[in-house]
Amino acid sequence: SYELTQPPSVSVSPGQTARITCSGDALPKQYSYWFQQKPGQAPVMVIYKDTERPSGIPERFSGSSSGTIVTLTINGVQAEDEADYYCQSPDSTRTSWVFGGGTKLTVL
Amino acid sequence: QLQLQESGPGLVKPSETLSLTCTVSGDSISSSAYYWGWIRQPPGKALEWVGSVYSSGSTYYTSSLKSRITISVDTSKNQFSLRLSSVTVADTAVYYCASGACTGGNCYSFDYWGQGTLVTVSS
Repeated sequence: SYELTQPPSVSVSPGQTARITCSGDALPKQYSYWFQQKPGQAPVMVIYKDTERPSGIPERFSGSSSGTIVTLTINGVQAEDEADYYCQSPDSTRTSWVFGGGTKLTVL
Repeated sequence: QLQLQESGPGLVKPSETLSLTCTVSGDSISSSAYYWGWIRQPPGKALEWVGSVYSSGSTYYTSSLKSRITISVDTSKNQFSLRLSSVTVADTAVYYCASGACTGGNCYSFDYWGQGTLVTVSS
């Protein structure tokens, strides 16, 4: 079955740039999405269609895509950005959705 | 602005059927502008897409649960439901209902989520 691979954890200091990657074979042809999830809360979409930012999401969140790897970048990380981040994409048939294993972002 | 709210038993016995309902407010569940889905998250683990239902009536399920799962829509109540049969401890999770947008024949990921409901499978 199709899989998306993320690093388990990323750590950055406040004000620095955090980059979280996600790799998957179908990513060159399918849109990717990123979700932020804080403890005890439902996930919130922070990036859609590879690079688009939903209304209300701070400009410091951005997405990029290169081949089989997509990247979520958070510029000027703030303490409130500490959370789990999940990438997501449909599989090649576009009938199933797949989530990555999640990356825990720690703000030092 | 859509709002989604899950409801159902928080405790289910092994081998029984888990049944959850998601009540949608803010628009019609019959609208072709949306599709509807369930996502679950075992304690301390990652999100897992469970299945989706589209305005056409088509349903798609994750392969690992396909033999045990049914997602249906009740337009009269503006609700959609999840039924998962023969549950085991491994089905213990927070279950989220969610919606995604469809435009021009393409559908995109889940931008509205319910708050989630914990379902524990235990005797």
